[in-house]
Amino acid sequence: GENVEQHPSTLSVQEGDSAVIKCTYSDSASNYFPWYKQELGKRPQLIIDIRSNVGEKKDQRIAVTLNKTAKHFSLHITETQPEDSAVYFCAATDRGSTLGRLYFGRGTQLTVWP
Amino acid sequence: SAVISQKPSRDICQRGTSLTIQCQVDSQVTMMFWYRQQPGQSLTLIATANQGSEATYESGFVIDKFPISRPNLTFSTLTVSNMSPEDSSIYLCSVWGLAEGNEQFFGPGTRLTVL
Repeated sequence: GENVEQHPSTLSVQEGDSAVIKCTYSDSASNYFPWYKQELGKRPQLIIDIRSNVGEKKDQRIAVTLNKTAKHFSLHITETQPEDSAVYFCAATDRGSTLGRLYFGRGTQLTVWP
Repeated sequence: SAVISQKPSRDICQRGTSLTIQCQVDSQVTMMFWYRQQPGQSLTLIATANQGSEATYESGFVIDKFPISRPNLTFSTLTVSNMSPEDSSIYLCSVWGLAEGNEQFFGPGTRLTVL
């Protein structure tokens, strides 16, 4: 099955700086890569996703890049704010598979200091 | 989108007992997923529940410990049986949204503490 590695496990940045979280995957059949944000005591919520036919996607301060050849994808948060502090999970899956499951990375605890 | 509710939201149980967690979705879905999230950890898939068939369990999870029911296309239950303190976790159900290209949505979770 798929194996998703995520780095770093913790990340501390000053407010206004950028944050980058990186993930790698093993299965070349994976074609859908979502990023979830989980605040303390809450459910994971999708913040951005990317499909394998796209190299980059941006939504305001958040962007995701995908390198299919190298099998890695990254989350970029610019102009970080204290409310960005949370755990971020990357995931991968083959949306065409009948299994339909997501494979998650281990998570990154992002702390934004004011 | 999909609206998912879970009951109970939290519970404290004694070891050796069982707890059944309910997951209700506001639309009909083929697959429902049950995840476990241990404190400070990532999400681990327990099983996939399809209506009308036996649930498919991931490695390390067995039906005797985590029996699942899927009586219709909007509802599922997960039972945590013969609980021990190691079962203390958050249990979440999830489904794919119905629209083309839609995301996977998660329920609010059930926080279980086993004493």
